[in-house]
Amino acid sequence: NAGVTQTPKFQVLKTGQSMTLQCAQDMNHEYMSWYRQDPGMGLRLIHYSVGAGITDQGEVPNGYNVSRSTTEDFPLRLLSAAPSQTSVYFCASSYAGVAGRTDTQYFGPGTRLTVL
Amino acid sequence: AQKITQTQPGMFVQEKEAVTLDCTYDTSDPSYGLFWYKQPSSGEMIFLIYQGSYDQQNATEGRYSLNFQKARKSANLVISASQLGDSAMYFCAMRATTGANNLFFGTGTRLTVIP
Repeated sequence: NAGVTQTPKFQVLKTGQSMTLQCAQDMNHEYMSWYRQDPGMGLRLIHYSVGAGITDQGEVPNGYNVSRSTTEDFPLRLLSAAPSQTSVYFCASSYAGVAGRTDTQYFGPGTRLTVL
Repeated sequence: AQKITQTQPGMFVQEKEAVTLDCTYDTSDPSYGLFWYKQPSSGEMIFLIYQGSYDQQNATEGRYSLNFQKARKSANLVISASQLGDSAMYFCAMRATTGANNLFFGTGTRLTVIP
């Protein structure tokens, strides 16, 4: 049971390049989310999914695309990287729970992305 | 709108002493959940403790306890008997209005434990 895995761990891009950050979970979680963490700030929600084929935007969605074709995988795509997207990216997953229960999110180890 | 405020950018504590990390929040939801996460220098996010808004008792998990004062909208984390391994960033978070168990985070407090 690997939990939430993310690849790559580190990535350097040039402005305008595209890439996909991979996220996978083996806990059969319905919910998956992407966050970014910038210096001096907490994590901010980019996109999330409540199940295969269903995605929605979070607080900072611009410049990112997502899709979810399987329960296990939730890739994050940067179509044209910009220096403002330099950040640490975290993927998280959780069971679908009733509001008020302690259905906490499990986080992956993160991907550190630098855009030059 | 949701808001999480952590007013202590950095805190120091002597080893074996207790320390309180402050967190205040604002939300219009009558039912909400509050979380604390630890982020060591290695970068991973580690769940520590959860408090539901309707829970009658303050949450405790080993050396971690949550001092929940609903009327004051505060959810302070108390770490007892600090250890060197407690040195890390600590984030207060609440369940986001987007649902799907998403979290809305504060800016964090960096705790340093002094030997």
